[in-house]
Order: sequence, then C-alpha cells, then structure tokens
Amino acid sequence: LAKTTQPISMDSYEGQEVNITCSHNNIATNDYITWYQQFPSQGPRFIIQGYKTKVTNEVASLFIPADRKSSTLSLPRVSLSDTAVYYCLVFSSYKLIFGSGTRLLVRP
Amino acid sequence: GAGVSQSPSNKVTEKGKDVELRCDPISGHTALYWYRQRLGQGLEFLIYFQGNSAPDKSGLPSDRFSAERTGESVSTLTIQRTQQEDSAVYLCASSLSQGQIDTQYFGPGTRLTVL
Repeated sequence: LAKTTQPISMDSYEGQEVNITCSHNNIATNDYITWYQQFPSQGPRFIIQGYKTKVTNEVASLFIPADRKSSTLSLPRVSLSDTAVYYCLVFSSYKLIFGSGTRLLVRP
Repeated sequence: GAGVSQSPSNKVTEKGKDVELRCDPISGHTALYWYRQRLGQGLEFLIYFQGNSAPDKSGLPSDRFSAERTGESVSTLTIQRTQQEDSAVYLCASSLSQGQIDTQYFGPGTRLTVL
C-alpha cells in the first residue's frame, strides 16, 4: 500500500489560496488519490478524489502531475471555518490508509 | 438525508469491562468500515464489511476485538476486557459499495475512555 507524506501543519490568512502538497511515490497504477477534511470531534469528510491531471468541485481543486507521485490540494479563498486537518490518501480498493494529515490554521 | 450515526457518543468504562459500540450506516450502503483514531493521530483501519460478511478483519488489533453486521444495516463493534490502550475515538463509515470511486461517509464517532 502506498504511503503518503504531507506537511504536518500550515498557516494561512482569510481570503488566501492554500495549496497542500502530498507525495505518494509508490502509488500503484489503479490507485486513486483522495482528500478528506476533519474538524475536531467529527468524523472525516470527503473533499475530492482524482486519478490524473486536474479535478475541480465546488470546494477545492486537485492537481495531479503526469507521474502521479504527488498531488496538490488547492483551497481557494480560505475562511476561518476551513481550519481543520486535511488528509491525503491513496485509495487502494476499499481500505483508506490515513497518515497524520496536515493541520491547517486560518487566521483572521 | 440521514447520515451515518453512532452510539453512544461517549463511553467511559473500567479496565476489564466489555463494551459495545453501534453504527447505523446510510440506508442502501452495502459497505461498512470501522476505524480507530487515537488522540492527535490519523485513522487506523480495523475491519470492512460487504453486506454482512467481513472479508477483511486484518486491522483488528487483538482477539479482544470483534464486529458483526446484521444484513446491510447496523453493525456492532465489541471490545472485551478493555485495556487503557483501547481509549480512542472509534469511527464508522459506509459507502454504496467497495469500489475505488465510492465515497466513504463517516459518522461522528464514539469516544471510548478506559479508566
């Protein structure tokens, strides 16, 4: 199962764009890249999932280069409510393997 | 619509006692998962159900842990003879099936404290 590496923490200010990069050097051909968000005392919430190139939804964008060894979650114009832990996962079949995530702190 | 629900939300027990944690998945979701999250850490996979069978129990930490599921609905995670290291938040998730593109929806978790 591919292991992911992402920064432990990041700080930002309201209104800024935040980019969180994750590396997954051992990703397999059939694996997808998935990002979850977790607020304190809540279960994780699905943000976005992709296989290659770029995926965009109403919440975020996910950029995946051709070699798929890394991915970048982009959050446009963050607000205080985006303060949370963000997990990058390589989805191998049904089993989600969570790392420690990136703690994002958005300041006023 | 209703999401994944778990009960109780909090459970405090004494070392050596047995506990049962319940998960009600989203209606129609055939796949169900249990995870454990220790304080400040990511989630650890425990067990996966497809319908009422459990093809993967590889994450259960010891034989004190067991889980069952009734049909494609409620699941119960049982921890026997609890130990202090079992203290954690236990999260349940469900998805339509177990495919790569099927999003897992998580419940709020049960916070277990073993004294």
